[in-house]
Amino acid sequence: NAGVTQTPKFQVLKTGQSMTLQCAQDMNHNSMYWYRQDPGMGLRLIYYSASEGTTDKGEVPNGYNVSRLNKREFSLRLESAAPSQTSVYFCASSEGGRGGYTFGSGTRLTVV
Amino acid sequence: GEDVEQSLFLSVREGDSSVINCTYTDSSSTYLYWYKQEPGAGLQLLTYIFSNMDMKQDQRLTVLLNKKDKHLSLRIADTQTGDSAIYFCAESPSVDMRFGAGTRLTVKP
Repeated sequence: NAGVTQTPKFQVLKTGQSMTLQCAQDMNHNSMYWYRQDPGMGLRLIYYSASEGTTDKGEVPNGYNVSRLNKREFSLRLESAAPSQTSVYFCASSEGGRGGYTFGSGTRLTVV
Repeated sequence: GEDVEQSLFLSVREGDSSVINCTYTDSSSTYLYWYKQEPGAGLQLLTYIFSNMDMKQDQRLTVLLNKKDKHLSLRIADTQTGDSAIYFCAESPSVDMRFGAGTRLTVKP
C-alpha cells in the first residue's frame, strides 16, 4: 500500500543545474499536485493536473515545468535551479471530495 | 484577507486539551480539513468536516465550524507526547486546496 512515492528524498544542486523530481501514485486518483513548503509559509501550489493530459499553473509556477506522463506519474522539473528554490517539495494526489489529499513524504532540495 | 490563517505555535502539558484555531477565507468550500505533519514526513489527513455541519467528533478529536465567522478549530483531548507535530487547516473552494502556515504543537511531559 505505497500511496504516493516521491524520489529522490534529498538533493543538493548547484545554481544553474537542472533536475526532475518524480512522483507516482497507485490509488488511481485523477488529480495530482506539486507543492513547496517553506518555513512559516505553509504549502504553496506550484502546478497541478486535474486529470491525465492536463496541467495548470498554481500560485508559484515560475522556474518550474511539469509533465503528467500518465495517470500514475507527475514530474516536476527545474530547468535552471536558483537558491530561492531551496525548499521541501511535496507531491499529492486526490480523487476529490471528502477524501482530501494523499501526500508523498517529500523531497528536500538545497540549491547552493 | 486572502490567506488561511493560523497561529504558529501552541504548547500544552501532557493530559491537557489542545485547541488549534484557524480562520479560512472562502465560504464556498464544501469541506474543511485538518492535516498533521510529523518531522520529516508528508502531511497526513487527520479529519475533515462538511461545510453544513457545526461539529464533528472522532475519538479524541473534535472539530468545530463557525461558518458565519469562517472559523475552524481542532480540539485534541488528553493530549499525548505523540501528538507533537505541525497541524495544518485547509480549505478547498475549487480544484486545489489552500493551506494555512501550520501550528506547531509541543506537548510537554
